[in-house]
Amino acid sequence: GESVGLHLPTLSVQEGDNSIINCAYSNSASDYFIWYKQESGKGPQFIIDIRSNMDKRQGQRVTVLLNKTVKHLSLQIAATQPGDSAVYFCAVSDGRFNDYKLSFGAGTTVTVRA
Amino acid sequence: GAVVSQHPSWVICKSGTSVKIECRSLDFQATTMFWYRQFPKQSLMLMATSNEGSKATYEQGVEKDKFLINHASLTLSTLTVTSAHPEDSSFYICSASRLGETQYFGPGTRLLVL
Repeated sequence: GESVGLHLPTLSVQEGDNSIINCAYSNSASDYFIWYKQESGKGPQFIIDIRSNMDKRQGQRVTVLLNKTVKHLSLQIAATQPGDSAVYFCAVSDGRFNDYKLSFGAGTTVTVRA
Repeated sequence: GAVVSQHPSWVICKSGTSVKIECRSLDFQATTMFWYRQFPKQSLMLMATSNEGSKATYEQGVEKDKFLINHASLTLSTLTVTSAHPEDSSFYICSASRLGETQYFGPGTRLLVL
């Protein structure tokens, strides 16, 4: 099965600085990758996704980078704001080979310092 | 778009009673719904995958007779925790997707069994 790990369980960042959250996965057949943000007491909120035929995708203040060679995924948040404080999960799918189920990483808690 | 609701948002019940949680996709038809359980400060644990009109597929270690899942329509799935006990207290989250596409999560239901 898929194993998904995060490099750091916590990240403290100064307001206005950029944040980088990293994630590693184990299955080279994985083809869909998603980042979710979860605030305390709420369900995960979709941030951005990327498929295996791409290596970079940008959204509003967020960028996801995918390195399939080393099976590594990262989320970059530009100009981090207090509202970005949350737990961030990467999720990986093996697509139809595993019924489109997601394997989640352990989560990185991001704390934004004023 | 892609809004998923859950009801109730929280519930307290006595040990031995059954509790039903509803998951609805409000603005799209979900071919697949997933049910997760989350303990404090931990990642999401997939309990079961539910396809409309068919029996749910449970993950290893999840008791199908205890956690009854029904997916009667493309917009509604229910999870019933039967004969609940204190160890069933947890945060239950559903997600909905069109097959092969992004999973969108509900806000979660916090269950406390006394």
